[in-house]
Amino acid sequence: DAGITQSPRHKVTETGTPVTLRCHQTENHRYMYWYRQDPGHGLRLIHYSYGVKDTDKGEVSDGYSVSRSKTEDFLLTLESATSSQTSVYFCAISEWTNSYEQYFGPGTRLTVT
Amino acid sequence: GENVEQHPSTLSVQEGDSAVIKCTYSDSASNYFPWYKQELGKRPQLIIDIRSNVGEKKDQRIAVTLNKTAKHFSLHITETQPEDSAVYFCAASRAGTASKLTFGTGTRLQVTL
Repeated sequence: DAGITQSPRHKVTETGTPVTLRCHQTENHRYMYWYRQDPGHGLRLIHYSYGVKDTDKGEVSDGYSVSRSKTEDFLLTLESATSSQTSVYFCAISEWTNSYEQYFGPGTRLTVT
Repeated sequence: GENVEQHPSTLSVQEGDSAVIKCTYSDSASNYFPWYKQELGKRPQLIIDIRSNVGEKKDQRIAVTLNKTAKHFSLHITETQPEDSAVYFCAASRAGTASKLTFGTGTRLQVTL
């Protein structure tokens, strides 16, 4: 597995609280992505980054923000968590030099009660 | 934006039989089509991919075919084995747009003895 870690791996939080998920890579890849995975929906892109401080929205970005202050870290923040944000969140990285493959992290299971 | 449809949602085959999973995409500019395998509780992992300048690609028991005119691509697994049991996702993207992947909703493949 590529050097990608996510923290925390599991989290239970209450509606209305802020939550930050962290993705950390040791591969020095330029591109980083946040996806959510829900039954019946596959993986959906939330936000992505194409460099330090360079981010853009994906297809399901409402209610989420991201930041990337260093190449190795990509943070996903839920400003005020809602039950609809209960999901499994995957971070991914890629580098286009030889392939377009995206390598996924182990995932974070978030439950909003 | 891109829309990817995947069929069937579940597929059960006997060990040794072949399995075929089909996907269609909507954006004629898409030119990169990966397939990911996800075992229960694990991260998605790339098993094969194809670019639009190629009609077919094979890797041992796995092959992918692409029909650009019809905008569909398929995954073929021959001589299935119990360890092929997993959820398979197709995806599509335009290379050159940070490789933003749009995923299908997944196919749960079960290989029975």
